[in-house]
Amino acid sequence: RKEVEQDPGPFNVPEGATVAFNCTYSNSASQSFFWYRQDCRKEPKLLMSVYSSGNEDGRFTAQLNRASQYISLLIRDSKLSDSATYLCVVIYTGGFKTIFGAGTRLFVKA
Amino acid sequence: NAGVTQTPKFQVLKTGQSMTLQCAQDMNHEYMSWYRQDPGMGLRLIHYSVGAGITDQGEVPNGYNVSRSTTEDFPLRLLSAAPSQTSVYFCASSRGSRGQDTDTQYFGPGTRLTVL
Repeated sequence: RKEVEQDPGPFNVPEGATVAFNCTYSNSASQSFFWYRQDCRKEPKLLMSVYSSGNEDGRFTAQLNRASQYISLLIRDSKLSDSATYLCVVIYTGGFKTIFGAGTRLFVKA
Repeated sequence: NAGVTQTPKFQVLKTGQSMTLQCAQDMNHEYMSWYRQDPGMGLRLIHYSVGAGITDQGEVPNGYNVSRSTTEDFPLRLLSAAPSQTSVYFCASSRGSRGQDTDTQYFGPGTRLTVL
């Protein structure tokens, strides 16, 4: 079993749709959680940090459930520009072990 | 600030050749790391450094060496290139690893390496 698992997709949605991604992690000794966005052949860029209390940034909402060891990302009112790969990232406590999920590909179509 | 820079952007090597991928950051970040990204596998950590003079192995260190003589620079050396090292290499930096706020990583634009 992979340490961080994501549904690879692809997710094909129309503009204006709401789409949700989930990510599960296997090691409970983790301290930090993030969603990154990666455009084709480009470097990953931070989309959001993820907190247990949940956090929202415009159309994006991220949630962490430590008890169930999963992280979610909700995108509302999808735009064409949201088309990208979304990477779930977990950093483990006490070191610098960073684990990336393989990514979920999103296509938003007009 | 330039952020994280990497050179070269593209490189083609023959099996057995050696080379160094350069990475530099101007944000005074303590932590720097190297990843490789292969199709369908996400990013995998090769080596990382928690400060000048300190390096450690990540998930896939074999075939690669690193050193960190300054805070700014973190070069990755391929000792004897193999076709299995064909990949996209990303360098990243962060302020530290003491919690959510410091763990955010900033990536360079990547080096696309092909080994024939």
